[in-house]
Amino acid sequence: GQQVMQIPQYQHVQEGEDFTTYCNSSTTLSNIQWYKQRPGGHPVFLIQLVKSGEVKKQKRLTFQFGEAKKNSSLHITATQTTDVGTYFCAGPGSGGSNYKLTFGKGTLLTVNP
Amino acid sequence: NAGVTQTPKFQVLKTGQSMTLQCAQDMNHEYMSWYRQDPGMGLRLIHYSVGAGITDQGEVPNGYNVSRSTTEDFPLRLLSAAPSQTSVYFCASSPPGPSRAFFGQGTRLTVV
Repeated sequence: GQQVMQIPQYQHVQEGEDFTTYCNSSTTLSNIQWYKQRPGGHPVFLIQLVKSGEVKKQKRLTFQFGEAKKNSSLHITATQTTDVGTYFCAGPGSGGSNYKLTFGKGTLLTVNP
Repeated sequence: NAGVTQTPKFQVLKTGQSMTLQCAQDMNHEYMSWYRQDPGMGLRLIHYSVGAGITDQGEVPNGYNVSRSTTEDFPLRLLSAAPSQTSVYFCASSPPGPSRAFFGQGTRLTVV
């Protein structure tokens, strides 16, 4: 079955440093989604990438989808304490529908003020 | 606008007990899913539904049952709780196609 691998598992940074998490799929994805989960909270949708080579930005967050649509990355510039949480990537099930997402194991980001 | 509502938020069960985790959404979404989250394991799909009357198994379905009698509700039943089912359970809903999933607040279940 489809596997989605995410690295690193943990990342601790000083406030103001940059952060990147990487996601790799065993199969080509029709789209990839990113979610953020604050400690004790629930996953909250950040963004969806659909096109090969796509790059999207949300303020200090930059999301990329690989040319082969098998990998993706999330980069945060100048981290802040509000960025603390676990970041997950997720790929869709068969047919591209997102009712059976396959999640990576997530990257837990902690930020030292 | 409530979105996806899960009840209860916390539950402690004894081994062998049964219970139902409730999930309701008010967005008229066709698709609903149940995930469990364990430390270091990410979220794993238990069961899902693509519409009322239609359900199917996900990656880790053993020990769980679901039904979907209405569009709004998608309860998850634990038939005979085991310590291995100690986890945080999330319900999610989404409209058809490649769209975002909306998650409930989660139910933290402990089986002793």
